[in-house]
Amino acid sequence: AQTVTQSQPEMSVQEAETVTLSCTYDTSENNYYLFWYKQPPSRQMILVIRQEAYKQQNATENRFSVNFQKAAKSFSLKISDSQLGDTAMYFCAFMKDSGTYKYIFGTGTRLKVLA
Amino acid sequence: KAGVTQTPRYLIKTRGQQVTLSCSPISGHRSVSWYQQTPGQGLQFLFEYFSETQRNKGNFPGRFSGRQFSNSRSEMNVSTLELGDSALYLCASSPGQYNEKLFFGSGTQLSVL
Repeated sequence: AQTVTQSQPEMSVQEAETVTLSCTYDTSENNYYLFWYKQPPSRQMILVIRQEAYKQQNATENRFSVNFQKAAKSFSLKISDSQLGDTAMYFCAFMKDSGTYKYIFGTGTRLKVLA
Repeated sequence: KAGVTQTPRYLIKTRGQQVTLSCSPISGHRSVSWYQQTPGQGLQFLFEYFSETQRNKGNFPGRFSGRQFSNSRSEMNVSTLELGDSALYLCASSPGQYNEKLFFGSGTQLSVL
């Protein structure tokens, strides 16, 4: 069975600084998707970034980028130029690319951006 | 385009009652998934529907059920509520049939007293 581990329950960063959130996963699959979702106090989960396992190039979305290490089964999220609006819970998630249609989520990292 | 809409936002029930939660996906999305979020267990997959067919179901008791209508709207039902069913129930829809991206609603917060 697949598992997703986020080992940092809480983190804080100063505004405008850079922070990296860690995620590791366990799977025997070769084809899969990895995601980072953000959940602000409004409770709505928002997709931050997505990575297809077959792509070697790391995904980037504006200030957000990932470091995807397939062999090490590691998928960290880097937030550059942190903003107060980045304060939220961040969840790492995994989905097999073979018809299960379900996401497996990590336990989340609570990020606080300090003014 | 309107986002995923879940109703109601908050619900208070007592043990033994049943509850129905509703989810309207983004227009054009045919896949709907449900997740339960609790502080102790995190986010757990409940079930997923595509074009009115349940394609996968999580490891929850039979008291949890769902369905999807021809307009892609979905409902989930929990019968004989237990205290442990208190949770945030999140619905998500996907533009593709493989769920390569999920768009979530704001959830229904269910409290069982």
